[in-house]
Amino acid sequence: NAGVTQTPKFRVLKTGQSMTLLCAQDMNHEYMYWYRQDPGMGLRLIHYSVGEGTTAKGEVPDGYNVSRLKKQNFLLGLESAAPSQTSVYFCASSYVVGGPYNEQFFGPGTRLTVL
Amino acid sequence: KNQVEQSPQSLIILEGKNCTLQCNYTVSPFSNLRWYKQDTGRGPVSLTIMTFSENTKSNGRYTATLDADTKQSSLHITASQLSDSASYICVGWHNNDMRFGAGTRLTVKP
Repeated sequence: NAGVTQTPKFRVLKTGQSMTLLCAQDMNHEYMYWYRQDPGMGLRLIHYSVGEGTTAKGEVPDGYNVSRLKKQNFLLGLESAAPSQTSVYFCASSYVVGGPYNEQFFGPGTRLTVL
Repeated sequence: KNQVEQSPQSLIILEGKNCTLQCNYTVSPFSNLRWYKQDTGRGPVSLTIMTFSENTKSNGRYTATLDADTKQSSLHITASQLSDSASYICVGWHNNDMRFGAGTRLTVKP
């Protein structure tokens, strides 16, 4: 099993450009998440999904959109990139969302730079 | 606001030495607390999880402790190895809301 995969691994954008980050998981997990990780800060939740066709806002959703058309895929979109969105983005998935079995499995990350 | 604070921010130790990382949290009521290890350039990987009824749990050379009264957890690494060099992240859970600490960056030198 590949676990959680993310594409691309690196990307450089100019301010105002758009892009989509793709996350895929092969563990049949219901829950999927998008985080951003900035130096000196903990992982912050952008959006999450509790199942196919559903999405919800996390802690820092502004400037991002998501879609979960298929259970195994979770897309993160930036419609008009800004330098403040320079970060490392992680996707994660889990079998459940709470309780002692809520282990999240993370992808390898996408390093995004917005010039 | 629920917060998870970790200390120290960074730590350098010699190979073979022990170390302890701290996590203080204010998530309440407490559900569970998990420690993750994040190697450079990789995503976090779970090391251990503790519920409020547990006060210690081991995973090889890693031992996590929890004091629910003082809302403190620690991660003790025994006989450190070069491969332990990583960031260690504490995550607190409260009613399906999770809060990540900023992590402790551990460097193990030969």
